[in-house]
Amino acid sequence: GAVVSQHPSRVICKSGTSVKIECRSLDFQATTMFWYRQFPKQSLMLMATSNEGSKATYEQGVEKDKFLINHASLTLSTLTVTSAHPEDSSFYICSASPGQGAPETQYFGPGTRLLVL
Amino acid sequence: GESVGLHLPTLSVQEGDNSIINCAYSNSASDYFIWYKQESGKGPQFIIDIRSNMDKRQGQRVTVLLNKTVKHLSLQIAATQPGDSAVYFCADLRGGTASKLTFGTGTRLQVTL
Repeated sequence: GAVVSQHPSRVICKSGTSVKIECRSLDFQATTMFWYRQFPKQSLMLMATSNEGSKATYEQGVEKDKFLINHASLTLSTLTVTSAHPEDSSFYICSASPGQGAPETQYFGPGTRLLVL
Repeated sequence: GESVGLHLPTLSVQEGDNSIINCAYSNSASDYFIWYKQESGKGPQFIIDIRSNMDKRQGQRVTVLLNKTVKHLSLQIAATQPGDSAVYFCADLRGGTASKLTFGTGTRLQVTL
């Protein structure tokens, strides 16, 4: 149980284009989903927190107009990197929390490797 | 500022030996800690967690120790296997509910034959 998927697993795009990454909780409803970015040989950095049906909360320094997050249902959140540039190339990882238990557990997806040419 | 960090970036251990990965944290208000394992190209995988009211917790081949006095956390892996080779992160969760995880810098564990 508690499986989180991401699609696509890898994507290569041209500079200036937009890329959408999906995060799905397959066997549970996720009250909250989190988006992280991880550069090579570095740790995970939280980009934003999204709750179903409400606007995402972005971490300091993360541009909300560049990284659009939509959490339209309890099993799906999307991250759209708009007008991508080479410096956006990174490993994007989502996690989902069922909103139960204390503390609440986060289940991580397998990540999406983005390469912007 | 507040941080969760690791002492060693790379740890090389011979197969069969025990591994100890360390982590220091600075926020005395931290109330929950988690160790994750991340293999190359994959997302983090939960290993073990510990609440701040505990000082030790054991799982299968893994033990987490928490020393609140010196704000230190460690992960012990018994009889390390090649499949344990990965990057290990400690993370701090504050507040108890849907709170944000703060990850440490990571330690790469290399298991040699």
